[in-house]
Amino acid sequence: QVQLQQWGAGLLKPSETLSLTCAVYGGSFSDYYWNWIRQPPGKGLEWIGETSHIGNTNYNPSLKSRVTISVDTSKDLFSLKLSSVTAADTAVYYCARGGERASDPFDPWGQGILVTVSS
Amino acid sequence: QSVLTQPPSVSGAPGQRVTLSCTGSSSNIGAGYDVHWYQQLPGTAPKLLIYGNSIRPSGVPDRFSGSKSGTSASLAITGLQAEDEADYYCQSYDSGLSVNWVFGGGTKLTVL
Repeated sequence: QVQLQQWGAGLLKPSETLSLTCAVYGGSFSDYYWNWIRQPPGKGLEWIGETSHIGNTNYNPSLKSRVTISVDTSKDLFSLKLSSVTAADTAVYYCARGGERASDPFDPWGQGILVTVSS
Repeated sequence: QSVLTQPPSVSGAPGQRVTLSCTGSSSNIGAGYDVHWYQQLPGTAPKLLIYGNSIRPSGVPDRFSGSKSGTSASLAITGLQAEDEADYYCQSYDSGLSVNWVFGGGTKLTVL
């Protein structure tokens, strides 16, 4: 059974860079796309971006200028960096497994990390 | 404003049947892309509830069912239970936007 475990800093100041990592346990890393999704407090879900195991990435255009998703296949993990954060970036950040096809769902999800941006 | 439209809230009494709707457009649901549903219990990560419009993952009770027609999809829950109280999100793919994967704004289900 695949499990995703994520970690990273939960409190940032404006203009700092958000950095989160997600490790994949118990399944194939190379057969899927690996995603980051966020949820502001009390709001809905927003897809941030994805990476394949060889580093093919796609990003949400609204965040593209600030987002980098990278992958480490030697450790079956992938990471998110979001630069120049503001209070609007305060959210719970989730990692999730997706697929190559448009019809593939996100499953499973990591446990989520609340990232708060405050001066 | 979410690309997929869901009612903010729905309620029902224990044992009743409720239906949650998800309305899209010709560039997502209407284009034939699959709809997936997620259940988010308070304080937890979303969990896949229905995929491919109507398929239940292993372990999901058959009280939950999904359907799709035209530019809309629905999630039906029968025999409503207190433990079903949660937020429910629909999700699909959109070919008309640069943001490929889109979600609904979510529906809060309250069990009375």
